[in-house]
Amino acid sequence: GAGVSQSPRYKVAKRGQDVALRCDPISGHVSLFWYQQALGQGPEFLTYFQNEAQLDKSGLPSDRFFAERPEGSVSTLKIQRTQQEDSAVYLCASSFQANSPLHFGNGTRLTVT
Amino acid sequence: QQPVQSPQAVILREGEDAVINCSSSKALYSVHWYRQKHGEAPVFLMILLKGGEQKGHEKISASFNEKKQQSSLYLTASQLSYSGTYFCGTEGGGNDMRFGAGTRLTVKP
Repeated sequence: GAGVSQSPRYKVAKRGQDVALRCDPISGHVSLFWYQQALGQGPEFLTYFQNEAQLDKSGLPSDRFFAERPEGSVSTLKIQRTQQEDSAVYLCASSFQANSPLHFGNGTRLTVT
Repeated sequence: QQPVQSPQAVILREGEDAVINCSSSKALYSVHWYRQKHGEAPVFLMILLKGGEQKGHEKISASFNEKKQQSSLYLTASQLSYSGTYFCGTEGGGNDMRFGAGTRLTVKP
């Protein structure tokens, strides 16, 4: 594909529901990042993958958040038992290698009611 | 550790110049600059690697002082299309990209 693709674009969940957010990075990109962006704020780091290995998950706010990239390509961010404070835009970004530009997807806007 | 950006917001008239600053409390290997327009994804502007280089992109340039752990983005002769929120992202060498809170730039005719 031409760029990073995220789906769904919008997701409304009732508090307590589980959600799964998908990211299709640019083909051949080794690095994949997940960020959470609240309204008017900068992207907050959640987790980082190098191929299929999750090398840093220090930004995941709780054990309700889980991310995987089993074949080193598509990644899924799962949030269990969603809470209102989880409402945000979730951005995925990929890069060819370390210290190369990040290419962002358009994000998934999650609203928890 | 997130970098700190200043100012938080700036309003310019077309043709005016602006400087956005980014500082970090940790040793840096690289600094990235991105621009995000409302409702869109952040878009890459430039990357500066350790070495104190200055890079340019059209009328937008940046510098990186790794001793001071600071970077500045310079926008000259601003255009309406420059409006958006500018983020600096910093890496310490371990793919630990962290972003600042952003600087909202508004360019008015």
